[in-house]
Amino acid sequence: AQTVTQSQPEMSVQEAETVTLSCTYDTSENNYYLFWYKQPPSRQMILVIRQEAYKQQNATENRFSVNFQKAAKSFSLKISDSQLGDTAMYFCAFIPEGAQKLVFGQGTRLTINP
Amino acid sequence: DTAVSQTPKYLVTQMGNDKSIKCEQNLGHDTMYWYKQDSKKFLKIMFSYNNKELIINETVPNRFSPKSPDKAHLNLHINSLELGDSAVYFCASRLLGGGHEQYFGPGTRLTVT
Repeated sequence: AQTVTQSQPEMSVQEAETVTLSCTYDTSENNYYLFWYKQPPSRQMILVIRQEAYKQQNATENRFSVNFQKAAKSFSLKISDSQLGDTAMYFCAFIPEGAQKLVFGQGTRLTINP
Repeated sequence: DTAVSQTPKYLVTQMGNDKSIKCEQNLGHDTMYWYKQDSKKFLKIMFSYNNKELIINETVPNRFSPKSPDKAHLNLHINSLELGDSAVYFCASRLLGGGHEQYFGPGTRLTVT
């Protein structure tokens, strides 16, 4: 069974700092997709970034970037120049190619302090 | 221009009642999901429909019954509500054969007293 592990239940940084959230996953599949979702206090689940396993290049979306290490089954999220609005729960998610179910990690609660 | 919408956003009811949550998406997606998020924020899939056909039915009590009148709508009816049903319920949608990402509704916070 596929699993996703986020080893940091909570993190806290100062505004403008860079922060990295960790995510590891376990699968025997070769083709799959990885995502980071953000859930602010408003509880809306927002897609932050996606990565296809067959792409070696790490995905970036403005201040958000990932470090995808396929052999290590690691998919960390880096937030540069963090802002107060980045305060949220962050969920790592995984889905094999052609599958129906997203598998979510336990989430990391990130707090950006002024 | 809301992509995935849910109604209601808040629902407070007493044990034993029956309630429904509605979901609609205007993204042209063909697959929709219901998730339950518990108090520890853990997200668990409950059901999924593809073009009105049930394709995922996780271990969920029979009191929960999803219905998809068309591929843009997915409703969740809950009979005989229990205290343990209190949670946030999310609807999501995706396009099969697309990028595999799912887009979520704003969630419905259900509180059973």
